Amino acid sequence: QKEVEQDPGPLSVPEGAIVSLNCTYSNSAFQYFMWYRQYSRKGPELLMYTYSSGNKEDGRFTAQVDKSSKYISLFIRDSQPSDSATYLCATAISSGSARQLTFGSGTQLTVLP
Amino acid sequence: EPEVTQTPSHQVTQMGQEVILRCVPISNHLYFYWYRQILGQKVEFLVSFYNNEISEKSEIFDDQFSVERPDGSNFTLKIRSTKLEDSAMYFCASSDPTGTGTSGTFGSGTRLTVV
Repeated sequence: QKEVEQDPGPLSVPEGAIVSLNCTYSNSAFQYFMWYRQYSRKGPELLMYTYSSGNKEDGRFTAQVDKSSKYISLFIRDSQPSDSATYLCATAISSGSARQLTFGSGTQLTVLP
Repeated sequence: EPEVTQTPSHQVTQMGQEVILRCVPISNHLYFYWYRQILGQKVEFLVSFYNNEISEKSEIFDDQFSVERPDGSNFTLKIRSTKLEDSAMYFCASSDPTGTGTSGTFGSGTRLTVV
């Protein structure tokens, strides 16, 4: 079963807050975990990419993967109004070639100035 | 920064008509994908394409759909006889040949409206 669950929100936070976005997945074969940001009427834009379990940090963004609980998270520190967008988690199975992404439904985030 | 270009941005077509959605992937990318997003729903995988053939396709990608790389730069999605339920945003993506084909760079999409 290829399924990724994500709380759709909407989530509204004040500027400067720490934002926590989460997804769960059911297929233990997933090996690659991504977070995308999508602005209205635009394509998804890759933010973070993690292979297997662990943490990855990039500036204000931290991605965490816990394969034992099938839980993936994105933390945004010092959130800015420009972070307002829909955030999509996505997973992929290591198939050795072109990899099919399975997306969550997206969480709509608004950062209030 | 290199980008994936999709045309047109919006297409309206009558039910039963054929449509071709066009994409220009990033020039050194070798893996190509189509995804769709029905309004308010998840982004769904349709098909992946590598070395001039389909690598994987989803259940959505039935006989009404086809993909082609007619030249060295374009990648197209054809829907032979459109249905109302084909109305969606269609995203093209491409990824590099270094083994990080997971991520992919997405275009801004073509909004297809079938009336």
